[in-house]
Amino acid sequence: DAKTTQPPSMDCAEGRAANLPCNHSTISGNEYVYWYRQIHSQGPQYIIHGLKNNETNEMASLIITEDRKSSTLILPHATLRDTAVYYCIGEGYNQGGKLIFGQGTELSVKP
Amino acid sequence: SQTIHQWPATLVQPVGSPLSLECTVEGTSNPNLYWYRQAAGRGLQLLFYSVGIGQISSEVPQNLSASRPQDRQFILSSKKLLLSDSGFYLCAWRTGLMGANVLTFGAGSRLTVL
Repeated sequence: DAKTTQPPSMDCAEGRAANLPCNHSTISGNEYVYWYRQIHSQGPQYIIHGLKNNETNEMASLIITEDRKSSTLILPHATLRDTAVYYCIGEGYNQGGKLIFGQGTELSVKP
Repeated sequence: SQTIHQWPATLVQPVGSPLSLECTVEGTSNPNLYWYRQAAGRGLQLLFYSVGIGQISSEVPQNLSASRPQDRQFILSSKKLLLSDSGFYLCAWRTGLMGANVLTFGAGSRLTVL
């Protein structure tokens, strides 16, 4: 599994874009980058994943650098309900689905 | 539709007592199933995962065991609880069996050992 590094906490103003960085300098060529989030006292929720290309879905956008050593999760218009811990995970494709969660980034969206 | 159920949602148990947490999945067959634990203020720790009936892999040595008696049922057990077993236990199943490691989590079971 690729080791990932995230800042422990971030603040974002409501309505603004939240940009959450993740470093994964040891990621191998076949390892995807996954993002999950966990709202307090709930189970984690899948957000998005990608390999090389940037990805976008109804929840967020994922920007992966060309060298794949880092990525950024973008919540385009953060709301108070986006306050959560965000986890960036590097995991081999089709390897039993064992996702190893780190400490994540605690995002606080403020009014 | 596919859903995952966990119970009980909350329980308080004395040290030394047994434990049984149950997880069931509906709307899919032969899912990969996982048990995670989250201690207070800490990240998620993968405890067990299963790729099929009777197939259990343990990720960390501990006071817990897991069983999969049926395709869509995953049980977490302990014979004698320790204080350190307190935490938030999450069951998950894997969607996207063609490759993507997308896990769907249950609502969790919060265990307090006194």
